[in-house]
Amino acid sequence: KNQVEQSPQSLIILEGKNCTLQCNYTVSPFSNLRWYKQDTGRGPVSLTIMTFSENTKSNGRYTATLDADTKQSSLHITASQLSDSASYICVVSLHYGGSQGNLIFGKGTKLSVKP
Amino acid sequence: DVKVTQSSRYLVKRTGEKVFLECVQDMDHENMFWYRQDPGLGLRLIYFSYDVKMKEKGDIPEGYSVSREKKERFSLILESASTNQTSMYLCASSSARVEQYFGPGTRLTVT
Repeated sequence: KNQVEQSPQSLIILEGKNCTLQCNYTVSPFSNLRWYKQDTGRGPVSLTIMTFSENTKSNGRYTATLDADTKQSSLHITASQLSDSASYICVVSLHYGGSQGNLIFGKGTKLSVKP
Repeated sequence: DVKVTQSSRYLVKRTGEKVFLECVQDMDHENMFWYRQDPGLGLRLIYFSYDVKMKEKGDIPEGYSVSREKKERFSLILESASTNQTSMYLCASSSARVEQYFGPGTRLTVT
């Protein structure tokens, strides 16, 4: 069964600290993996997207890694800020020919950054 | 910048009412999607459309219908709203094999 599991479910850190969020998936055939940030009451916004051949991708203080062999991804946040408080959603895309209705969503990690 | 807009941020309806949620995108994307998001369940796909007048059922289409008469507009219809349809509804659009862009969401409460 195609699944995306995220851990931890929630996380509280102090401002300025680093943190790492995990995403494990059992999705086949794999096309790409995306990380989204969703502020409370808002729609998700894309942070990174990685294909099978990409190991790491950065977007400012956010760095995503992908290990396609172990089917694991992580999102590392450096020097956290209060504005990083949000839910982070891992999404894996199935490799199909045309339709775009092939995304498997994780349930997200809720990050709270405290001053 | 890609822009996906939804007609309402908050909506309160009564049980049995017919509800229309509208979504408009300005990037000429072929694909449009409707999701609902509930605590502990994540995003679940209701319907998607890959072309005008074309639609495909997602994972949870029961109790919903959709309409796509124009490329930029995708409507979600609740024929007879029920309390278990209280949720956050998210619209998204994408071009082929490119990431999805989400709207701000509509928080629907059915009383």
